[in-house]
Amino acid sequence: GESVGLHLPTLSVQEGDNSIINCAYSNSASDYFIWYKQESGKGPQFIIDIRSNMDKRQGQRVTVLLNKTVKHLSLQIAATQPGDSAVYFCAENDRDDKIIFGKGTRLHILP
Amino acid sequence: EAQVTQNPRYLITVTGKKLTVTCSQNMNHEYMSWYRQDPGLGLRQIYYSMNVEVTDKGDVPEGYKVSRKEKRNFPLILESPSPNQTSLYFCASRQGHEQFFGPGTRLTVL
Repeated sequence: GESVGLHLPTLSVQEGDNSIINCAYSNSASDYFIWYKQESGKGPQFIIDIRSNMDKRQGQRVTVLLNKTVKHLSLQIAATQPGDSAVYFCAENDRDDKIIFGKGTRLHILP
Repeated sequence: EAQVTQNPRYLITVTGKKLTVTCSQNMNHEYMSWYRQDPGLGLRQIYYSMNVEVTDKGDVPEGYKVSRKEKRNFPLILESPSPNQTSLYFCASRQGHEQFFGPGTRLTVL
């Protein structure tokens, strides 16, 4: 079946460095790809999305890159802060308008 | 404040004792979902509703029921809970492809 997955379950980054969280997907027909952030004890929160006809989209401190050739999605967080510590999920909005989540990457911020 | 609320936030119950987890949203969204989140399995959709009186099975519907009598509410019903339904449950409402999640309900079935 089609799925959205992640390369690494855990990522540790020094405070102030940039973080890159990766995601692989298999459904090339999806319209949107979305990143969610889930802090401890809370529900997932929308961060940023990208439409399938785009390669890059920037937010305040985040950038999402989409490489359709290799079906790869990444989330870049600039100048990582302690508040960025969370689990990050990629998700895709498939042709049937269903949102499918990956399993998540836990981001640890080192002091 | 735009939000999705769930109750209760924590629940410990015993096998076979019917329970309901309530979900309410104040954003007038038509689309609502229930997910369960388990370690190593991520978020899996249980049921969803695209509008009032319209509900459909998600990926893991067995052992669950839902209802959508009004737009704002989407309760999750476990008629006869079993230990394998011990999990963290999230309700969500959706506008386009952006989902808004509730704070979660941690359910333990003994």
